[in-house]
Amino acid sequence: AQSVTQLGSHVSVSEGALVLLRCNYSSSVPPYLFWYVQYPNQGLQLLLKYTTGATLVKGINGFEAEFKKSETSFHLTKPSAHMSDAAEYFCAGGGADGLTFGKGTHLIIQP
Amino acid sequence: ETGVTQTPRHLVMGMTNKKSLKCEQHLGHNAMYWYKQSAKKPLELMFVYNFKEQTENNSVPSRFSPECPNSSHLFLHLHTLQPEDSALYLCASSLQGQNYGYTFGSGTRLTVV
Repeated sequence: AQSVTQLGSHVSVSEGALVLLRCNYSSSVPPYLFWYVQYPNQGLQLLLKYTTGATLVKGINGFEAEFKKSETSFHLTKPSAHMSDAAEYFCAGGGADGLTFGKGTHLIIQP
Repeated sequence: ETGVTQTPRHLVMGMTNKKSLKCEQHLGHNAMYWYKQSAKKPLELMFVYNFKEQTENNSVPSRFSPECPNSSHLFLHLHTLQPEDSALYLCASSLQGQNYGYTFGSGTRLTVV
């Protein structure tokens, strides 16, 4: 079965510090991977996606993610956290038949 | 505005009421989805429609009844709900057969009293 695992339901970082949100996918998941962000009482907004080509993907709001096939990982990073980055982040994987979502990671930014 | 519009944004209903949630997209997508998002629980896929045909129903109680009259519109009809049905209901759409991901609406916050 397809699965996407996000390590850590909550991650707390200081403003200005590196943000690292972890995502691993099962090998049965087609290598199409996505990160979404959700602000309170809003829908999910696409941050970035990997489909083919370059393994380092840049997204909106200064986020990027690297696809590492050998580690079955697609971790999300941002060099310097901003207070406005506080939100829920979802990793998702899949192909033409649909997406499988991780359980989400709540990012907390400490002033 | 994402291209997927959900109405209403907020809804409070009694357990004996009947109401409907609406989702609309004009992105040219041909697949539409209903998700339920409860506090401290993962996203739950409820229904999937591809080309207006329901292709997935994840053991959702019959008090939730979806309707997809065309590829641009999706409804979720609600009746005799329970307080535990209170949640954020999200609609999404995609282009079936492509790997561009889903586009989500802003959701309807439902409270059952």
